[in-house]
Amino acid sequence: QVQLVQSGAEVKKPGSSVRVSCKASGGTFSTFAINWVRQAPGQGLEWMGGIIPIFGTAIYAQKFQGRVTITADESTNTSNMELYSLKSEDTAVYYCAKEGAHSGHYWGHGTLVTVSS
Amino acid sequence: DIVLTQSPDSLAVSLGERATINCKSSQSVFYSSNNKSSLAWYQQKPGQPPKLLIYWASTRESGVPDRFSGSVSGTNFTLTISSLQAEDVAVYYCQHYYSHSGLTFGGGTKVEIK
Repeated sequence: QVQLVQSGAEVKKPGSSVRVSCKASGGTFSTFAINWVRQAPGQGLEWMGGIIPIFGTAIYAQKFQGRVTITADESTNTSNMELYSLKSEDTAVYYCAKEGAHSGHYWGHGTLVTVSS
Repeated sequence: DIVLTQSPDSLAVSLGERATINCKSSQSVFYSSNNKSSLAWYQQKPGQPPKLLIYWASTRESGVPDRFSGSVSGTNFTLTISSLQAEDVAVYYCQHYYSHSGLTFGGGTKVEIK
């Protein structure tokens, strides 16, 4: 059974950065993707980027290119997502989602990031 | 890029009645390498993360009630709840995944009780 535990809620100032972590247990970590998805209040799901740990190179949605970095550490089964130059519009719940063997995904509980001056 | 268009945006169904949600893909998501369509369905209740219901377009995730089913015809995908229960009130999303292009989601369908 795949379980994903994310770091706690964050409150950030505009222009700063935030890092959200996601620790996986169960399943195979290295060969299946970890994707990061955010959901603004009352809105749908928005893919930010993802990484397959064994390959180490992340891919990003065009909207977030240059403003997000996703990493994965096989030794700790952890993925991190760092978002820079935060704006109020980045206020959202950020989820990590791990690919299963069938391309469906299992989700973390989410991390609320609030950007406010 | 693949675009997934869900319909309707919302629907209200009486308890015990059928709910049908559609998801149309702008391109084929069928992979001949494994003869499967890379399309999943999720259920999201307020304050909770999405929960995987269906993968490969029609395979039910372990533990998901059999009133949930998925089907495909070409690039048209359908999620059916055969007999709506009160606990099925949620937003439902379709999703495509490809390792080279990431995740694509439909816009979501809100299911309520009539």
